[in-house]
Amino acid sequence: EAQVTQNPRYLITVTGKKLTVTCSQNMNHEYMSWYRQDPGLGLRQIYYSMNVEVTDKGDVPEGYKVSRKEKRNFPLILESPSPNQTSLYFCASSPGTPGAREKLFFGSGTQLSVL
Amino acid sequence: DQQVKQNSPSLSVQEGRISILNCDYTNSMFDYFLWYKKYPAEGPTFLISISSIKDKNEDGRFTVFLNKSAKHLSLHIVPSQPGDSAVYFCAASEDFNKFYFGSGTKLNVKP
Repeated sequence: EAQVTQNPRYLITVTGKKLTVTCSQNMNHEYMSWYRQDPGLGLRQIYYSMNVEVTDKGDVPEGYKVSRKEKRNFPLILESPSPNQTSLYFCASSPGTPGAREKLFFGSGTQLSVL
Repeated sequence: DQQVKQNSPSLSVQEGRISILNCDYTNSMFDYFLWYKKYPAEGPTFLISISSIKDKNEDGRFTVFLNKSAKHLSLHIVPSQPGDSAVYFCAASEDFNKFYFGSGTKLNVKP
């Protein structure tokens, strides 16, 4: 089944403790991105990657890191989480080909709480 | 400041009637506009899109209208069905790399 898999689904952590949220897609998609969803603000893009080893900042990249060493994986790293990073996070991917680039496939989300 | 805005947090319509969801944007460089639908505990799913060279795109019960001069787009659902009850996000992009989403409109279709 074609899907984007995020792990974990729920995570509670404390301020300053490094964490990684994993994202993997099995559709051979070139493009991947991360979003956070907050009440009243909708989805805001954190980082995106057009292909392996090619990443760039989205709208709200501060406090986050990403890497794209393999096509299928795009982990989100919080080196020193803070309470304002408490949010619902979504990973997404798309084929990156003309006519299909707008069709983002989203994972089910990771609810992160930073105490 | 948000570049894509959905000013109605919620909308309630009767089954069989038309649902109209609205979206405004500020960046005239946006070339592509999208609608996504989200059910609770799931990720958003792609619904329909339109490029700036068109003013209308239709897919079954869903039609998106674009008014570039007003920087406004709308999603029409006809007829509305209870299964359409979800949160709808409007999004825009210049180049399919950076995407800007609105805050969402929660649609409730009453049987």
